[in-house]
Amino acid sequence: DQQVKQNSPSLSVQEGRISILNCDYTNSMFDYFLWYKKYPAEGPTFLISISSIKDKNEDGRFTVFLNKSAKHLSLHIVPSQPGDSAVYFCAASEYGNKLVFGAGTILRVKS
Amino acid sequence: GAVVSQHPSRVICKSGTSVKIECRSLDFQATTMFWYRQFPKQSLMLMATSNEGSKATYEQGVEKDKFLINHASLTLSTLTVTSAHPEDSSFYICSARSQGDTEAFFGQGTRLTVV
Repeated sequence: DQQVKQNSPSLSVQEGRISILNCDYTNSMFDYFLWYKKYPAEGPTFLISISSIKDKNEDGRFTVFLNKSAKHLSLHIVPSQPGDSAVYFCAASEYGNKLVFGAGTILRVKS
Repeated sequence: GAVVSQHPSRVICKSGTSVKIECRSLDFQATTMFWYRQFPKQSLMLMATSNEGSKATYEQGVEKDKFLINHASLTLSTLTVTSAHPEDSSFYICSARSQGDTEAFFGQGTRLTVV
């Protein structure tokens, strides 16, 4: 049973445009959500997070939106840059316990 | 962000031998460490959670006698793959978290190849 789902395996975006990565979850007890970026053969790098008491968190080019009623969150990258090309994982935790990851979305930013 | 160092980054071993992977938190006390495994083109699958000084809690389907986890100090956790087989070949990643924090920081990962 996948508690965190990233239904788009890949996304291709033109440089300078917006990248929107989506994530859905099923466990209503999740109270903290994170986005990680990962290059091949490397560990994930933390990007941005959001607590369930918020609906938006912004950090530079990265913004995460949380819709609790829909159990949906998204990561917006504006403007997208070629260096953003990587695999993006959505993760969720319940009361600071273990992180549950989605399957990941490959983002390709074309120049 | 905090730094987590994982070593080795790459290891090749023969079937039947054991391999130890180290995970160190360099600038914070890691009260909890997590060990993940990633198969090609798949997500990170949690193998076990370890709290300093306690026995690790393994996820369903993970053999605790095969994947030995030790978390004897607040800065070091080790994963030992015992009697490795080719099907154990994978990318193993650790992450560490301080008490009270919700964010976990990841090591660089270890590519294990069993021949």
